[in-house]
Amino acid sequence: AQSVTQLDSQVPVFEEAPVELRCNYSSSVSVYLFWYVQYPNQGLQLLLKYLSGSTLVKGINGFEAEFNKSQTSFHLRKPSVHISDTAEYFCAVSEGSGYALNFGKGTSLLVTP
Amino acid sequence: DTAVSQTPKYLVTQMGNDKSIKCEQNLGHDTMYWYKQDSKKFLKIMFSYNNKELIINETVPNRFSPKSPDKAHLNLHINSLELGDSAVYFCASSQVKAQGYTFGSGTRLTVV
Repeated sequence: AQSVTQLDSQVPVFEEAPVELRCNYSSSVSVYLFWYVQYPNQGLQLLLKYLSGSTLVKGINGFEAEFNKSQTSFHLRKPSVHISDTAEYFCAVSEGSGYALNFGKGTSLLVTP
Repeated sequence: DTAVSQTPKYLVTQMGNDKSIKCEQNLGHDTMYWYKQDSKKFLKIMFSYNNKELIINETVPNRFSPKSPDKAHLNLHINSLELGDSAVYFCASSQVKAQGYTFGSGTRLTVV
C-alpha cells in the first residue's frame, strides 16, 4: 500500500516570495501523483498531476511540481506567491491499478503582505 | 452546470437521527467516491463505486451505507448519527482510474 507524507503542516511566506511545499511518498509500484488545493470552505481543486513522461509538471495558477523517483518526492513550487494562494494544499498518490487516491495530511500555506 | 454537486451543503442534526447526503455528477464519469475530511483536514476515502458496483469499502461503521441508483449518483445514508460523525463529506468522480478526481464542494455535517 502507498502512503504520502507532507513534511510541513504550515508554511508562512511573504507575498511575491518563492515557495516549495514538500511531498514524499512510499510505494512498491509505479504511482500517479497529484496536488490539490482547497480554499477556505470550498472543495478540492486539481492543481496538477504526474502520470508519466516529463518529470516536471506544470499546473494551474503558476504552480509546478517535479517528480523525483529516486527520492520518492513530488514537491510543489511557485516562484512568486500571491495573497490569493493562501489555502490548504494536499499531495495525493494512487498506484494506478486500484481506485483509491490516498492523501497526505495537507500543508497550510499562509501568504502575508 | 456544476460538475459534481452535493446536497445539502450544511447539515445540523441531533445524535441518533438518520440523514442522507446526495451526490450527482454530470461529467459522464463511471466511478464515484465518498471521502471524509475530519477537523484536522485529513481526507480519508470511505467508499468507491464503479458503474453502480461497490469497489472500495474502507473501515467505516456499518451505520454508513452508500447507494448508487445509477452511475451519475452516489448517495450516502447515515443511521444513528454520533458526535464523531461530525465532519465534511466530499463526493468525487473520475473517468479513467487514477487520472484525477473532480470533487464536489462538500457537505458539512454537524451532530449535536
